[in-house]
Amino acid sequence: EVQLVESGGALVQPGGSLRLSCVGSGFTFRSHGMTWVRQTPEKGLEWVAGLSGTAATTYYADSVRGRFTISRDNSKNTLYLQMNSLRVEDTALYYCARVSSGVAVAAPINSWGQGTQVTVSS
Amino acid sequence: DIVLTQSPDSLALSLGERATITCKSSQSVLFKSDKKNYLAWYQQKPGQSPKLLISWASTRESGVPDRFSGSGSGTDFTLTISSLQAEDVAVYFCQQCYDSPVTFGQGTRLEL
Repeated sequence: EVQLVESGGALVQPGGSLRLSCVGSGFTFRSHGMTWVRQTPEKGLEWVAGLSGTAATTYYADSVRGRFTISRDNSKNTLYLQMNSLRVEDTALYYCARVSSGVAVAAPINSWGQGTQVTVSS
Repeated sequence: DIVLTQSPDSLALSLGERATITCKSSQSVLFKSDKKNYLAWYQQKPGQSPKLLISWASTRESGVPDRFSGSGSGTDFTLTISSLQAEDVAVYFCQQCYDSPVTFGQGTRLEL
């Protein structure tokens, strides 16, 4: 059974940093692109960043480019999202999700974690 | 960015009725070299994560009931639930993975 378990969400002040982690199991981690998607009631689902299985290619939403960094450690079956210079508008439930092939973005997302809440507030 | 616009925003139907949700893309998501539409549909039930229902516009995922079907090409797509069941109450999203950034429709809330 495919499992994705996120951690690292927290309450943080504007301008602060946070690192999210996601451990994958039940599949060959390095064979799949991975992505972070966030969700709020106001904006719905918003794709944040994607990374290919080999980590050779990365893509970011304009809203986070230069502030967030997606990375992975295939030896640990773990995906990361380093979030710097956090803003109030980054408040959301952050999902770790598996792309159905090894590419970063050009395939559907076929597994999702349960999400980890990030709240940016003073 | 590719904008996906779903309609309607919400839909209230009775058990056994047909549900039709449309998703219109601001540009074509048909990749000519492989003739695939890079369009997927997801279902999100209350308190749960999204679940992939349909990929490549019309390919139903394993385990998805055959009352769910997807159609369309280019810029216009439809998700149809042929006979609504109580467990189909959810929010449905379309998504394009043709180009970065990946984008989602705003969602359609389906209620009984």
